[in-house]
Amino acid sequence: DGGITQSPKYLFRKEGQNVTLSCEQNLNHDAMYWYRQDPGQGLRLIYYSQIVNDFQKGDIAEGYSVSREKKESFPLTVTSAQKNPTAFYLCASSIPWTGKDEKLFFGSGTQLSVL
Amino acid sequence: GDSVTQMEGPVTLSEEAFLTINCTYTATGYPSLFWYVQYPGEGLQLLLKATKADDKGSNKGFEATYRKETTSFHLEKGSVQVSDSAVYFCALSEGIGGNNDMRFGAGTRLTVKP
Repeated sequence: DGGITQSPKYLFRKEGQNVTLSCEQNLNHDAMYWYRQDPGQGLRLIYYSQIVNDFQKGDIAEGYSVSREKKESFPLTVTSAQKNPTAFYLCASSIPWTGKDEKLFFGSGTQLSVL
Repeated sequence: GDSVTQMEGPVTLSEEAFLTINCTYTATGYPSLFWYVQYPGEGLQLLLKATKADDKGSNKGFEATYRKETTSFHLEKGSVQVSDSAVYFCALSEGIGGNNDMRFGAGTRLTVKP
């Protein structure tokens, strides 16, 4: 079955530590996205990538980094510079990088908490 | 900038009750409008969408009509079930350069009791 796989489901970060969240898709989608979800708030875009080896900052990129070395993979690193990392992180993809009516496909999310 | 405003939750209904979740938007152009649903511990799934004024999106008994004159896209269902308990997000996209401009509302949590 095609879909988006995020791992791990739960992740704990210690002070000063970088952690990486995995996102893999087998939908052959060109575009991939990372969103952050906080309680009572809508999703906020962290980074997005339209194509392999290219990515752009979203609305809240500070303290995060990404890479897009393969079409299938778009890992997100939460760096120690992100002072409030506790949130639910969602990865999404869409095909292709075209219009306003293309829906997003989401993974099941990773809950990141600070120890 | 573009934005979406949803009615605050949580909303608690009895089974078979009528559901309305209000959504209004602000946009500079002519966006597409979406409702996504998030079940506990999962990612979001597209519930329905409408791409132009007066379009009605529908799926699984849910409906929403794109009202340009009132800039609204309210979600309705005539008879909710316990399995409809979830968080519902209204969203819009103007597609300027792709879906990176998708804007989500804060979400409305619905609980349906038997």
